[in-house]
Amino acid sequence: DTGVSQDPRHKITKRGQNVTFRCDPISEHNRLYWYRQTLGQGPEFLTYFQNEAQLEKSRLLSDRFSAERPKGSFSTLEIQRTEQGDSAMYLCASSPRGPNYEQYFGPGTRLTVT
Amino acid sequence: DAKTTQPTSMDCAEGRAANLPCNHSTISGNEYVYWYRQIHSQGPQYIIHGLKNNETNEMASLIITEDRKSSTLILPHATLRDTAVYYCIVRTIQGAQKLVFGQGTRLTINP
Repeated sequence: DTGVSQDPRHKITKRGQNVTFRCDPISEHNRLYWYRQTLGQGPEFLTYFQNEAQLEKSRLLSDRFSAERPKGSFSTLEIQRTEQGDSAMYLCASSPRGPNYEQYFGPGTRLTVT
Repeated sequence: DAKTTQPTSMDCAEGRAANLPCNHSTISGNEYVYWYRQIHSQGPQYIIHGLKNNETNEMASLIITEDRKSSTLILPHATLRDTAVYYCIVRTIQGAQKLVFGQGTRLTINP
């Protein structure tokens, strides 16, 4: 399967713990996006990478959130000191460079903070 | 905030055409109309996009009004597997090109 993959698919953690999610984009896609989706809502943009550079961050991305894409390939999203409000589906998407390409989404990581 | 307005939910009989409307009255000249859908517990899936001309691919057709203030996604022969939330998104081709999702339309295909 050459689609976007995310790991883990599900994560249950206790409030206050740190969690890290991984996204592997489609090979040679140099743009990578993170979104968050809560129940009953559409996905919300969190941040965007072009190669290894993080070019845009939403104000939703508080200081407890950090994302990296160290070699311009896979990306990680870390949440420190998790809160119950962080419970959501975290979606990753990738696209080729260019003005008008669609984004390909992974299956998401569902986070539950207890 | 999303720049589009869609009905919250729609029903369609299996085998019939499903027509999903979207209003985007504030669309700018350099903004495209994109459609994605999200089947339960999966990531969103790209369907189709257009600027001002009607578009068709293997999944659907997109009809954009001449003034570009609204559009309709058409699934010509809906199947049960088309049951999903459908998102209409207005997107600029400049900058990060992030997708701004609204609430979407929950389409239910009935047997």
